[in-house]
Amino acid sequence: QSALTQPASVSGSPGQSITISCTGTSSDVGGYNYVSWYQQHPGKAPKLMIYEVSNRPSGVSNRFSGSKSGNTASLTISGLQAEDEADYYCSSYTSSSTNVVFGGGTKLTVL
Amino acid sequence: EVQLVESGGGLVKPGGSLRLSCAASGFTFSSYSMNWVRQAPGKGLEWVSSISSSSSYIYYADSVKGRFTISRDNAKNSLYLQMNSLRAEDTAVYYCARDPGATFGWYFDLWGRGTLVTVSS
Repeated sequence: QSALTQPASVSGSPGQSITISCTGTSSDVGGYNYVSWYQQHPGKAPKLMIYEVSNRPSGVSNRFSGSKSGNTASLTISGLQAEDEADYYCSSYTSSSTNVVFGGGTKLTVL
Repeated sequence: EVQLVESGGGLVKPGGSLRLSCAASGFTFSSYSMNWVRQAPGKGLEWVSSISSSSSYIYYADSVKGRFTISRDNAKNSLYLQMNSLRAEDTAVYYCARDPGATFGWYFDLWGRGTLVTVSS
């Protein structure tokens, strides 16, 4: 069981917006602004999409945005495109003995 | 080109040892913290270990503490993971990942392609 809870799957049609949630505790997501999001296509390495809750690295489309409320962080993808179909993982620093925790991952299907 | 390239994976018997390497190029390796993250077949990502730019700070996941040792050689632009007392549950693709902080930013902005470690008799 992963430390952060994500839905196993989400889906949307091209052009629509979807949101993936990532729920933790006050020891991780809720206590620090060290939430990040990664995109992983099959057989590929993960790619950083969002860091420090809502910051986008250079080169990442502005269709990707992040936010946080309490112990839940969210990744929103607007204007869905076929290439967005992938697995998405959230991550957070944690004050527990394991310094970094990941969510279990969410499979995004573009219908 | 900015990249990380892992090597050293393979098949090892339970209880055995393996040393992974990660060669960095295209950036000032000594300015960044580095990490190992693994992914078991068909499973999610799991953080394994982190080391600060000067090796002053080192952290491990509980699942590998006492068995794995992370190290780096800034002169050789290389990161290592010595894995001892390997178990079947250590079977995974091991990724080398860069943290943009000299100490830790706690996110990973550059990843290698990974190296597969299989622990099986």
